[in-house]
Amino acid sequence: DTGVSQNPRHKITKRGQNVTFRCDPISEHNRLYWYRQTLGQGPEFLTYFQNEAQLEKSRLLSDRFSAERPKGSFSTLEIQRTEQGDSAMYLCASSLGSLAKSGETQYFGPGTRLLVL
Amino acid sequence: AQSVAQPEDQVNVAEGNPLTVKCTYSVSGNPYLFWYVQYPNRGLQFLLKYITGDNLVKGSYGFEAEFNKSQTSFHLKKPSALVSDSALYFCAVRASSMDTGRRALTFGSGTRLQVQP
Repeated sequence: DTGVSQNPRHKITKRGQNVTFRCDPISEHNRLYWYRQTLGQGPEFLTYFQNEAQLEKSRLLSDRFSAERPKGSFSTLEIQRTEQGDSAMYLCASSLGSLAKSGETQYFGPGTRLLVL
Repeated sequence: AQSVAQPEDQVNVAEGNPLTVKCTYSVSGNPYLFWYVQYPNRGLQFLLKYITGDNLVKGSYGFEAEFNKSQTSFHLKKPSALVSDSALYFCAVRASSMDTGRRALTFGSGTRLQVQP
């Protein structure tokens, strides 16, 4: 399977605990995105990387959230001191872009469903 | 700010009939427009996109969409619906101008398509 993969697929945690999610993009895709989707809503943008540089962050990304893409390949999203409001599906997407190809398609992974008790 | 409106929470259609899922958008400058489909407990699957050129865009599984700049719409259509088309459909927009450097997609709240046999 050469698509975007995310691990774990499901995570149940207690309020106040830290959680970390991993995203492996499609091979050689230079751009990677994190979105959050709550029940009955469309995905909301969290952050975006081009290679290892984090170029864009949403106001939704509070201080408790941090994302990295240390070698420009896989990415991790960490939530510290989880709250019940963090319960959502966390989606990762990747794309292959360039200056000449700015309308590229974002391909999504299956998501990590987080439940904070 | 960019936004997407999907005015119908649910669309019901009989198998074999044509279907339309509506989308209107707001963005500064010219838009990049996308349709994605989501099956239960799955990530988003790309259907089609409008970047430039012909206003009628053809995509996967027989779906097509028509870009209408004056009405700021990008409705999704299919001539003959299948039961297997039943899913959640999301329209998304991004500004084509890279002046702001933004690459995040803004999604609508989704339309559930129910195709009855």
